[in-house]
Amino acid sequence: DTGVSQDPRHKITKRGQNVTFRCDPISEHNRLYWYRQTLGQGPEFLTYFQNEAQLEKSRLLSDRFSAERPKGSFSTLEIQRTEQGDSAMYLCASSLGDLNTEAFFGQGTRLTVV
Amino acid sequence: QKEVEQNSGPLSVPEGAIASLNCTYSDRVSQSFFWYRQYSGKSPELIMSIYSNGDKEDGRFTAQLNKASQYVSLLIRDSQPSDSATYLCAVNTFASGGSYIPTFGRGTSLIVHP
Repeated sequence: DTGVSQDPRHKITKRGQNVTFRCDPISEHNRLYWYRQTLGQGPEFLTYFQNEAQLEKSRLLSDRFSAERPKGSFSTLEIQRTEQGDSAMYLCASSLGDLNTEAFFGQGTRLTVV
Repeated sequence: QKEVEQNSGPLSVPEGAIASLNCTYSDRVSQSFFWYRQYSGKSPELIMSIYSNGDKEDGRFTAQLNKASQYVSLLIRDSQPSDSATYLCAVNTFASGGSYIPTFGRGTSLIVHP
């Protein structure tokens, strides 16, 4: 399968714990996006990488959130000191080339903070 | 704040009818527009992209774009119960770091009843 892959698919954590999610984009895709989605809402942009450079970061993104994309391949999203409000689906998408190309999503990681 | 607006619905149509889904956007420099379908509990799946004013047809789906009115729509002909899902409109909007980021509406829930 050559689509976007996310791991884990589900994560249950206690409030205050740190969690890390991984995204493997489609192999030739240089652009990678992280989104968060809660029930009844559309995906909310978190951050964007072009190759290994993090070029955009939502102003809504708490400093408890950090993302990396070493060597421009896979990406990780870490949430420190999780809160119940962090419970959501975390989606990764990737695209190739210029601004007109379509973004394809992974299956998402569903986070539940208890 | 660059916005993408959709009526959350639900939009209910009988099987075989045409479903019409609408979207407006605020960023006048946007050039790329996308429709995604999202089944409950799943990630968004790209179904159409459109870049020029007018209509673009793909099977039972037709996307329509009017940049002057900042309006995008999706028509689904011969609607089937399997089309029941949330339809997300996405617009590449210009972000503060100089990149274009897919920005999503909250989605319109479509119900096709037999």
